[in-house]
Amino acid sequence: LAKTTQPISMDSYEGQEVNITCSHNNIATNDYITWYQQFPSQGPRFIIQGYKTKVTNEVASLFIPADRKSSTLSLPRVSLSDTAVYYCLVGTPTNAGKSTFGDGTTLTVKP
Amino acid sequence: DSGVTQTPKHLITATGQRVTLRCSPRSGDLSVYWYQQSLDQGLQFLIQYYNGEERAKGNILERFSAQQFPDLHSELNLSSLELGDSALYFCASSAQLAGGPMRTDTQYFGPGTRLTVL
Repeated sequence: LAKTTQPISMDSYEGQEVNITCSHNNIATNDYITWYQQFPSQGPRFIIQGYKTKVTNEVASLFIPADRKSSTLSLPRVSLSDTAVYYCLVGTPTNAGKSTFGDGTTLTVKP
Repeated sequence: DSGVTQTPKHLITATGQRVTLRCSPRSGDLSVYWYQQSLDQGLQFLIQYYNGEERAKGNILERFSAQQFPDLHSELNLSSLELGDSALYFCASSAQLAGGPMRTDTQYFGPGTRLTVL
């Protein structure tokens, strides 16, 4: 079961690029990496998913090095509305019946 | 809007009571998951169903049970409620069966049911 480690919190300012790194040293060969965003009192929302190298969509980029032991979520030009908790998930949340959502990273964007 | 619906949105009840939370997955999704999130806590996986069958169990108490019906909607039953059961309960759905050859099952979460036990 791949355990993930993320910073507890991060601060940024509007317009800046934010990079959140997640460590997952014991990722399995067939595990994907998925990032979710959660606002207070709302369900988590899928942001991006990848297996290796770089993935980009309309809201974020995901960088995964060759060894896949870490991944970095990049949010370009954040705004106040990006203030949320960001979860890095490896494999499936139900691997061996255990949740691997972890504590997430609380991102606070300041004006 | 994720396409996952949950009812009710809020539920207030007393200790010792029993409640049922309902979830309708996205159209076409066969997997349903239930999570509990207490105040300032992370998401705790409770249980997963796939096409009517239980597939994975997490930190679900014996007082809690769930099922998935032929139309794929799911219900989470919480009984003998305690104050500590007050939390947000989320349902999520996905199209794939977790634990397949490639471990990825993008989950789409509902808006949650806020349960308050007094």
